[in-house]
Amino acid sequence: RKEVEQDPGPFNVPEGATVAFNCTYSNSASQSFFWYRQDCRKEPKLLMSVYSSGNEDGRFTAQLNRASQYISLLIRDSKLSDSATYLCVVNMGNTGNQFYFGTGTSLTVIP
Amino acid sequence: DAGVIQSPRHEVTEMGQEVTLRCKPISGHDYLFWYRQTMMRGLELLIYFNNNVPIDDSGMPEDRFSAKMPNASFSTLKIQPSEPRDSAVYFCASSLVEGQPQHFGDGTRLSIL
Repeated sequence: RKEVEQDPGPFNVPEGATVAFNCTYSNSASQSFFWYRQDCRKEPKLLMSVYSSGNEDGRFTAQLNRASQYISLLIRDSKLSDSATYLCVVNMGNTGNQFYFGTGTSLTVIP
Repeated sequence: DAGVIQSPRHEVTEMGQEVTLRCKPISGHDYLFWYRQTMMRGLELLIYFNNNVPIDDSGMPEDRFSAKMPNASFSTLKIQPSEPRDSAVYFCASSLVEGQPQHFGDGTRLSIL
């Protein structure tokens, strides 16, 4: 089993739609969680951290479910500019720096 | 503020040649990471440094790969000899403290012919 697993998609949604991605992780002792966004031929960029209580940043909501070992990302009112690959990142290390990246979920928002 | 700076942006070379990738982390960041990204395997951590000291190199694929960080503002990843299967995008990233999100450079797109 991979350390971090994501549905690769692609997700093709119309503008204004709501879309959700899930990501599962293998290590129940994982310490911190993030969502990154990667545009085509660009570097990954931090989208948001994921906290146990869940957190929201504008149209984006991230949630963590430790019992089921998954994190989610919800995007409301999708914009064309949201088209990208979304990477789930889990820090599993006892030393604090064992970051595992999912292979990403591809999103295309259609006009 | 300058972000993580990598060079070169693109490298095309023939197999067997030595390849050196360079990275300048964000000033003040104590952690530096080298990643490799391919379509098949996604983003993989190769090695990371703390205060210029290599902490975990378990992701380095084999002895052909080596990384150094001679000072707080410079790191290199070297492949010698290079092979076609080393073709990938290599990212350098840095973070301020342990466990915190990393900031990535633009990457080096490496093609080994």
